[in-house]
Amino acid sequence: DQQVKQNSPSLSVQEGRISILNCDYTNSMFDYFLWYKKYPAEGPTFLISISSIKDKNEDGRFTVFLNKSAKHLSLHIVPSQPGDSAVYFCAARTSGTYKYIFGTGTRLKVLA
Amino acid sequence: EAGVVQSPRYKIIEKKQPVAFWCNPISGHNTLYWYRQNLGQGPELLIRYENEEAVDDSQLPKDRFSAERLKGVDSTLKIQPAELGDSAVYLCASSVEAGQSGFFGPGTRLTVL
Repeated sequence: DQQVKQNSPSLSVQEGRISILNCDYTNSMFDYFLWYKKYPAEGPTFLISISSIKDKNEDGRFTVFLNKSAKHLSLHIVPSQPGDSAVYFCAARTSGTYKYIFGTGTRLKVLA
Repeated sequence: EAGVVQSPRYKIIEKKQPVAFWCNPISGHNTLYWYRQNLGQGPELLIRYENEEAVDDSQLPKDRFSAERLKGVDSTLKIQPAELGDSAVYLCASSVEAGQSGFFGPGTRLTVL
């Protein structure tokens, strides 16, 4: 049972436009969410996080939105740059634990 | 600041052979994680250490996998014997405290023939 789902395996966006990556989850006990970015042959790099007590967190070009009622979070990248081309993973943690469940990733390609 | 170091980066072995992966976390990071990432999937936690203590190994296939973190610094993950299904990227990550976003190493890509 996949508790964290990234239903879009890939996404292509023109440089300068907005990239929106989506993540759905099934466990209502998740209380903290992370986004990671992964380049080929490298480990994932932490990008941004959000707690379940918030519905938005912003860091520069990256904004994460959380909709608890829909069990949905999204990562917005504005403006998108070619260097943003990577695989993006969302991850979620159950309250009271330290174990993160990862989604399957979305490959973002930003076209110059 | 040096990142998480893993070696080897690539390993090709035949099934039934043993294999070991090594990880040196970021200095001062008490928590160390081993993950396995299968092709097209996200990382899955195998084991988490707090200093030298394995506090969550519920996902570690204990019949063939073992891990240690002597002295609470670097760690070794071993598979003996390896099976075809063990082919994956094995990632090590560390954090100052449990529950924080971890810093990942580059991983070891294991191919079992």
